[in-house]
Amino acid sequence: EDQVTQSPEALRLQEGESSSLNCSYTVSGLRGLFWYRQDPGKGPEFLFTLYSAGEEKEKERLKATLTKKESFLHITAPKPEDSATYLCAVRRQGAQKLVFGQGTRLTINP
Amino acid sequence: DAGVIQSPRHEVTEMGQEVTLRCKPISGHDYLFWYRQTMMRGLELLIYFNNNVPIDDSGMPEDRFSAKMPNASFSTLKIQPSEPRDSAVYFCASSFRVSNSPLHFGNGTRLTVT
Repeated sequence: EDQVTQSPEALRLQEGESSSLNCSYTVSGLRGLFWYRQDPGKGPEFLFTLYSAGEEKEKERLKATLTKKESFLHITAPKPEDSATYLCAVRRQGAQKLVFGQGTRLTINP
Repeated sequence: DAGVIQSPRHEVTEMGQEVTLRCKPISGHDYLFWYRQTMMRGLELLIYFNNNVPIDDSGMPEDRFSAKMPNASFSTLKIQPSEPRDSAVYFCASSFRVSNSPLHFGNGTRLTVT
């Protein structure tokens, strides 16, 4: 069974304090690993897809990386507007559905 | 495109009542998914459709839950009878079939069963 574990559950940072979120996964044949951002009262919003180990994607202050067992979401010099829950999900080969982790709730204090 | 549209945004009902949640996917998308989100269990897949045909309903909790997709632009998730443990946020998402595309989510329906 595909499994996704995210850590930490919650993270509180000061504005400008860089950090990383972790997503560990177990899947039989990874087709893609997805990162989403979710704001309160909203649906998850797509950020990145990573396909193979060694791949990196960047968007503004966010950079996602992938190894054979985990993915990291690095946040550089975050701002209060980066506060949200960040969700990681995997898609196995031959499938269309996504299996999600529990998320990391990130708070950036001004 | 307006994105995935769900209605209602909030639903409060009494135990035993029938509840119907509605979803309009993004035009042209081949797949439609229903997820449920709770604090305890996170985002769980309930069922998904490909070209209006149910493909995997193994996540549907029990016979009280049913989902339909009568055409490419509309889907419903029905709970009958509803129970307090059904309280959650229900999300609809859609995606293209090709090139490992991401799921695009609506803003959900928050269901409270008292």
